[in-house]
Amino acid sequence: QKEVEQNSGPLSVPEGAIASLNCTYSDRGSQSFFWYRQYSGKSPELIMFIYSNGDKEDGRFTAQLNKASQYVSLLIRDSQPSDSATYLCAVNTGGGADGLTFGKGTHLIIQP
Amino acid sequence: GAVVSQHPSWVICKSGTSVKIECRSLDFQATTMFWYRQFPKQSLMLMATSNEGSKATYEQGVEKDKFLINHASLTLSTLTVTSAHPEDSSFYICSPKVGGGIDTQYFGPGTRLTVL
Repeated sequence: QKEVEQNSGPLSVPEGAIASLNCTYSDRGSQSFFWYRQYSGKSPELIMFIYSNGDKEDGRFTAQLNKASQYVSLLIRDSQPSDSATYLCAVNTGGGADGLTFGKGTHLIIQP
Repeated sequence: GAVVSQHPSWVICKSGTSVKIECRSLDFQATTMFWYRQFPKQSLMLMATSNEGSKATYEQGVEKDKFLINHASLTLSTLTVTSAHPEDSSFYICSPKVGGGIDTQYFGPGTRLTVL
């Protein structure tokens, strides 16, 4: 059974600091990895995806993937109060052909 | 990104009634639609996958006769919750698949269903 694990938090980070969010997955066949941000009562918003080992940067966000360790992370630089949300890690085994398996999310709080 | 709409955004109904949720892709054609639900304080769980013109494939534990999915066109998919009960109260979200790439997992705004 596919599993995606995240620390539920809350993770509290001072404004301007780097927030580090982690995720592990059980299915070695997973091919693509997604990070979503979800505000309370809203649907998830795609932040970024990654499918190759290493780092991928997009603005203040950096996704890191280590397939050998079955580990994916998201770094948020210069954290802002508006970044306070639940961050969902999701994986896909079929390169987009299948639906996503989600973790339960990490609740991030950016302290002003 | 892709523009997706869902209607209604929220609905309250009595136990035993049926509720239809519409998901429209406004600026693209979706050959595949994923339906998810999210219970309070839980993560999203995939319910079913539908392809235009074909029967939906349901995940284990999801009753296909209770959650009817129709994907009759490339821009419209519907989810009907039949004989709804309080335990069906949840946040239902559609996710159309855009093209064949992997960066195409966008979500609709969701429908909050409350069954009394």
